[in-house]
Amino acid sequence: AQKITQTQPGMFVQEKEAVTLDCTYDTSDPSYGLFWYKQPSSGEMIFLIYQGSYDQQNATEGRYSLNFQKARKSANLVISASQLGDSAMYFCAIYGGSYIPTFGRGTSLIVHP
Amino acid sequence: GAVVSQHPSWVICKSGTSVKIECRSLDFQATTMFWYRQFPKQSLMLMATSNEGSKATYEQGVEKDKFLINHASLTLSTLTVTSAHPEDSSFYICSARAQGFQPQHFGDGTRLSIL
Repeated sequence: AQKITQTQPGMFVQEKEAVTLDCTYDTSDPSYGLFWYKQPSSGEMIFLIYQGSYDQQNATEGRYSLNFQKARKSANLVISASQLGDSAMYFCAIYGGSYIPTFGRGTSLIVHP
Repeated sequence: GAVVSQHPSWVICKSGTSVKIECRSLDFQATTMFWYRQFPKQSLMLMATSNEGSKATYEQGVEKDKFLINHASLTLSTLTVTSAHPEDSSFYICSARAQGFQPQHFGDGTRLSIL
């Protein structure tokens, strides 16, 4: 079994500041992948970033970086230089050996001008 | 990036109607496709996983005869909501994945309203 916990139902950040969205996970699989998705109010799910369990370095994609701490089972998303368009729901997800994804409850991010 | 097309975007129909939703991977071959249902302000609820050429695997509590899934090719999966009723109204979203730990890529979703 696998589980994702996102403890922040909502987050607020000032435009141009950085924000960290928390994600902790639990899995019994030795090999797994961690993902973050963004869902704007329009509904589509947008893939942001991926971290493999055996990756030595933290993943980065533009303004997105994943703070992967394997021993603590955390995979926090860091958004640098927040923009108004970053306002959305953010979901953390995990695949284990079954390749069936499990999503967290999501964090609603609001970026203030 | 990988593109997944989901059609239709909106459906409004009368109770008792069957509704078919298509999910196509446009620029990659999808070994696996997933169907989700999402209620307002909630996370995605996985309904079923389908692999090309085999029967879908449904999650516990999802009625197989109600939600028919067909994954006939590596680029197309369909979800048919049979004899839809108002309680079936929801946002349905599909995703496709090439293989292994590669990310899922999602369609834009279908908002289904049953009157």
